[in-house]
Amino acid sequence: AQKVTQAQTEISVVEKEDVTLDCVYETRDTTYYLFWYKQPPSGELVFLIRRNSFDEQNEISGRYSWNFQKSTSSFNFTITASQVVDSAVYFCALSEGDDKIIFGKGTRLHILP
Amino acid sequence: DSGVTQTPKHLITATGQRVTLRCSPRSGDLSVYWYQQSLDQGLQFLIQYYNGEERAKGNILERFSAQQFPDLHSELNLSSLELGDSALYFCASSDRSNEQFFGPGTRLTVL
Repeated sequence: AQKVTQAQTEISVVEKEDVTLDCVYETRDTTYYLFWYKQPPSGELVFLIRRNSFDEQNEISGRYSWNFQKSTSSFNFTITASQVVDSAVYFCALSEGDDKIIFGKGTRLHILP
Repeated sequence: DSGVTQTPKHLITATGQRVTLRCSPRSGDLSVYWYQQSLDQGLQFLIQYYNGEERAKGNILERFSAQQFPDLHSELNLSSLELGDSALYFCASSDRSNEQFFGPGTRLTVL
């Protein structure tokens, strides 16, 4: 069965610190997609990244980076030099192809000035 | 802006009532997905339509129904509303790449 676990319910860090959000997933499929979404206080879901199961290369986009490790079924997200605007709820999600997205419970991130 | 529109933005209604939420997908996208985000259940997949046909069903209650019209817009109908139906309802659309683009959501409050 599909499952996404975000063990960190809430994290608070001081601005400019680095922070890593953990995500562990379960799936029986060999082909799947992993996602990260950001939900700021305004409520919309902002797409951050999609990664397919065959591409384990880590990705960096500005201050954001993602570490995908199939061996541990993890897809962790790191924000470097955090800023107050990064405060939001972050969701990790899994999709087995042309189908629904299964979301984790989310991690609420507070960046303190 | 994802290109997916949802109306209304906010909806306040009473228990027992029926409401319709509307979603217009991105131009050219054939798939529409509905999700519910509530405090206790988190973000859950409800149902997917592809080019007018139901494709996949998730945790959708029997009181809820959806359809996708020939112009590809979709409506989610919620009936016999209960307090627990208060939630943020998202619509998403996708093209052949299966990447889903989310609308801004409709916040439903049932009093």
